[in-house]
Amino acid sequence: DTAVSQTPKYLVTQMGNDKSIKCEQNLGHDTMYWYKQDSKKFLKIMFSYNNKELIINETVPNRFSPKSPDKAHLNLHINSLELGDSAVYFCASSQGTGSYGYTFGSGTRLTVV
Amino acid sequence: AQSVTQLDSQVPVFEEAPVELRCNYSSSVSVYLFWYVQYPNQGLQLLLKYLSGSTLVKGINGFEAEFNKSQTSFHLRKPSVHISDTAEYFCAVSGRNNDMRFGAGTRLTVKP
Repeated sequence: DTAVSQTPKYLVTQMGNDKSIKCEQNLGHDTMYWYKQDSKKFLKIMFSYNNKELIINETVPNRFSPKSPDKAHLNLHINSLELGDSAVYFCASSQGTGSYGYTFGSGTRLTVV
Repeated sequence: AQSVTQLDSQVPVFEEAPVELRCNYSSSVSVYLFWYVQYPNQGLQLLLKYLSGSTLVKGINGFEAEFNKSQTSFHLRKPSVHISDTAEYFCAVSGRNNDMRFGAGTRLTVKP
């Protein structure tokens, strides 16, 4: 049983397209996150949702829009994709204040051509 | 806000040798500290964490880390590494607001 699952695992698309990445967790956690990992492996938090409510919204282009239909799902929609959006996107979840650490998905490698 | 600095971007080491990956943190409040490992083409996996109490924390795969408040450090150590330990290692810090910040990562390469 996959604890945090992301789909798709790989996504290749052209500039200007709109795409979505889906994330689901079956751990019963109340907080979910999106992180972006660039080509140098640097991890940057993008968004955090607690019980479907946005609690962290870092400085990311407004082309990125998270959607949380329920506390087990956090999807990421990206409009008008640009070359610089190419990266690996990780979904993660945690319970409470995060003192137990985060559980990460296996990532979605987005390549914009 | 808290932040993390990993002092080495790459650490090459021979198999069965000891290794230390260095991490310093910055925060004005009490924090939680973590080490994660990322194997190629995989997500991050929690190695160990420090919340409070004993400053020496033991994790999975024979790793341990020591919290040093005066030096604001949380270095990761393993007495004898294996080829399979080759991976990217991330130090992370989190306050009580669920805002985890990661260091830039240290690439550990274990050579035969």
